Amino acid sequence: GAVVSQHPSRVICKSGTSVKIECRSLDFQATTMFWYRQFPKQSLMLMATSNEGSKATYEQGVEKDKFLINHASLTLSTLTVTSAHPEDSSFYICSARVHSRGSEAFFGQGTRLTVV
Amino acid sequence: EDKVVQSPLSLVVHEGDTVTLNCSYEVTNFRSLLWYKQEKKAPTFLFMLTSSGIEKKSGRLSSILDKKELFSILNITATQTGDSAIYLCAVMDNYGQNFVFGPGTRLSVLP
Repeated sequence: GAVVSQHPSRVICKSGTSVKIECRSLDFQATTMFWYRQFPKQSLMLMATSNEGSKATYEQGVEKDKFLINHASLTLSTLTVTSAHPEDSSFYICSARVHSRGSEAFFGQGTRLTVV
Repeated sequence: EDKVVQSPLSLVVHEGDTVTLNCSYEVTNFRSLLWYKQEKKAPTFLFMLTSSGIEKKSGRLSSILDKKELFSILNITATQTGDSAIYLCAVMDNYGQNFVFGPGTRLSVLP
């Protein structure tokens, strides 16, 4: 159990377009989902914490108007990168917290975004 | 400010060696410490530690938490090339909302 599905796994888009990344908890309800970004050879950077039915909490330095996060249901959170630029190219990962299993969190497969 | 420190940041060993990875933290309202193994893509969950002094084991991997000294270690015995990865340590606060990740230890196991 505790599977988190993230789609797409890879996406290439043109500068100026928007890209939506989905994160689904397949067999559990996740009231909290986390979005991370990983830069090459660096650790994960937490971008925002998403709670179902409320606005996401963004980390300092993360532009909320650029990285739109929606957590409309207990099994789905989305990250939309708006007006993407080449510097937004990165690896984005979501994770979901399983409340029934304490503070354990499970990660999606990640999305490699390339903006050309 | 909450922080998680891992050491060493990079480690190169040969197959069969035993390694110990360190994670120390300064986090208010500590709840749990988690270890992840990150290879090419998303991290794989290894252990979650909440109580001091209770060793958790999974095959050749084991981990223990010391809440008094605020650190945890991850041991890998009889290392294999497949153990090559970045090992992440993360701490979750008591509100269950925030993760703080360490920088990771990049382990390379040579044949």
